[in-house]
Parts: sequence; structure tokens; C-alpha cells
Amino acid sequence: GQQLNQSPQSMFIQEGEDVSMNCTSSSIFNTWLWYKQDPGEGPVLLIALYKAGELTSNGRLTAQFGITRKDSFLNISASIPSDVGIYFCAGPMTHSGGGADGLTFGKGTHLIIQP
Amino acid sequence: NAGVTQTPKFQVLKTGQSMTLQCAQDMNHNSMYWYRQDPGMGLRLIYYSASEGTTDKGEVPNGYNVSRLNKREFSLRLESAAPSQTSVYFCASQALGGNQPQHFGDGTRLSIL
Repeated sequence: GQQLNQSPQSMFIQEGEDVSMNCTSSSIFNTWLWYKQDPGEGPVLLIALYKAGELTSNGRLTAQFGITRKDSFLNISASIPSDVGIYFCAGPMTHSGGGADGLTFGKGTHLIIQP
Repeated sequence: NAGVTQTPKFQVLKTGQSMTLQCAQDMNHNSMYWYRQDPGMGLRLIYYSASEGTTDKGEVPNGYNVSRLNKREFSLRLESAAPSQTSVYFCASQALGGNQPQHFGDGTRLSIL
């Protein structure tokens, strides 16, 4: 089946530092999604990517859809305490893009920020 | 705006008991989903309903049943709970059309002793 491998598993950084994390797959995805989960809450969509090579920003967050369609990257600039949480990459279970068949998720990157 | 509402938020069961987890969305979305999240894992799809009147198995359907009661509501049932089903359960919904994002509820934390 489809598997998404996220790295790093966790990050301990100082407030103000930039953050980079990535997600790779052995199979091609036509859509890459990045979600954030705060403690006690459900995941919230941060950025959606629909085209190979696409670079999309949402405030201090920037994500890229890899050219090979087998990877994606998320960067956070000038981290602040509210960035703490778990970041997940996800993609549709079928390769037909935005179909209704559910998502497959990576195992997440835990971001911990030390003031 | 309520979005996706899950009840209950917490539940403790004994092995062999049955339970239904409720989910309702007020966004008029066509598709609804049930995921489980275990420590150190991403979310895994249990069952989904692409549209009212249809349901399909996801990655980990064993031990669960679902009912799409109407367009708003999608319930998940554990007929005979097992300790391996201790998890956090998330419901999500998605609008019709390509590349629509999924919206998640805040989860039900279920412990089975």
C-alpha cells in the first residue's frame, strides 16, 4: 500500500529559528497536503499542493510539491511558540487527485519550541 | 460555526462491550470519513462514505461497522470492543469536487480495558 515517510520524527528548536521537514513516498502522488494537529484537537489543513514543482506559501509557512511527485517539503520561518504541534503530510489514497476515497498520512513531525 | 462535531469526547469501555461513536457535520459535505490515530502513528482510515447511501472499507476496517444515517451524520460502531481498539477516533468530511480539503472533528478518546 501507499506509505508516506516523514522526517524528522521530532524537532527541538529555539524560538525564532527556521524549520524544515519533508515527506517521501515510494509511489507518485498527484496531491500533497500538509496538516497541523494541536494537542486535543483534530488536524487542520495548512497547505494543499496540486502540481509538481508547485511552491505555495501561507504566512510563514511554505510548502513545495517535489518534481518527482514522490516528495514534498514544508518550511516554517521565524518559529513562534504557537507553531508547536504535530505536522502531518497526507495524500489521497487513490492516485486520481482529489477523489473521495480518504487520505493516507505520514507518522508526523513533532515540533517543540524552546523559548 | 460548528463544522464537524464528534460525541462523546471521552469514553472508557470494558472488553466485549459495544459502543457507537457519533459524528455530524453542518457544512453540507457529501463525503465523510472515520480515522483512528495511535501513538506515534498518523491517522489511518477505517471506513468512509463517499456520498449519502454508500459506505466503503478503508485501511483498517476489521472490528468496526458504520452507518451513514443521512447527509449530516456518519456513525462508527464497535460491536465487541477489544483492547487493540484503544485509540483516538477522528471523523472528517469533505465537499464534492476534486481537490477539496477534509475537515476534521476534535476526536473521541476511547480506552478499552
